[in-house]
Amino acid sequence: GAVVSQHPSWVICKSGTSVKIECRSLDFQATTMFWYRQFPKQSLMLMATSNEGSKATYEQGVEKDKFLINHASLTLSTLTVTSAHPEDSSFYICSAQRGVSTDTQYFGPGTRLTVL
Amino acid sequence: DAKTTQPPSMDCAEGRAANLPCNHSTISGNEYVYWYRQIHSQGPQYIIHGLKNNETNEMASLIITEDRKSSTLILPHATLRDTAVYYCIALGDFGNEKLTFGTGTRLTIIP
Repeated sequence: GAVVSQHPSWVICKSGTSVKIECRSLDFQATTMFWYRQFPKQSLMLMATSNEGSKATYEQGVEKDKFLINHASLTLSTLTVTSAHPEDSSFYICSAQRGVSTDTQYFGPGTRLTVL
Repeated sequence: DAKTTQPPSMDCAEGRAANLPCNHSTISGNEYVYWYRQIHSQGPQYIIHGLKNNETNEMASLIITEDRKSSTLILPHATLRDTAVYYCIALGDFGNEKLTFGTGTRLTIIP
């Protein structure tokens, strides 16, 4: 149980284009989903927290207009990187949590984004 | 959330027990100790968590000292697939708590 998937697992795009990454909880309903970013040789950094049916809460320094998050159902959250640039190239990872905030977060396998 | 301190790297022979220490001297009474690991180019994997009592599951054991200022994650019979970065995180139950990943311990299992 507690499986989280991400799609795509990797994507290469041209500078200026937008990329959508999906995060799904496969065998449980996720009230809360989180999006992280990880640059090479660095640790995970939380970008935003999203609750189903609500607007996402972004961490300081993360542009909400650039990283659009939609959590339309209890099993799906999407992250859209708009007008991507090479500096957005990174490993994007989502996690999902069942219910109350003390529940364990389960992570997806990650999406490697390369912007040319 | 309390800050945690872990050694940057450790080696362990395959088949032996891997003991990963974590210091969390400022942990508060309602903060759990969580362990995750991240194998290269994958998302973090939940291992185990505990509050006061020692915990064991199919992956590992977690030993928490009586004063809760430190803990040890034990992988009883390490395999090459256990090579990963291991993160110890203190997380409270106030609500809206966030996992904060430090630098972790890079565990290398030696054949």
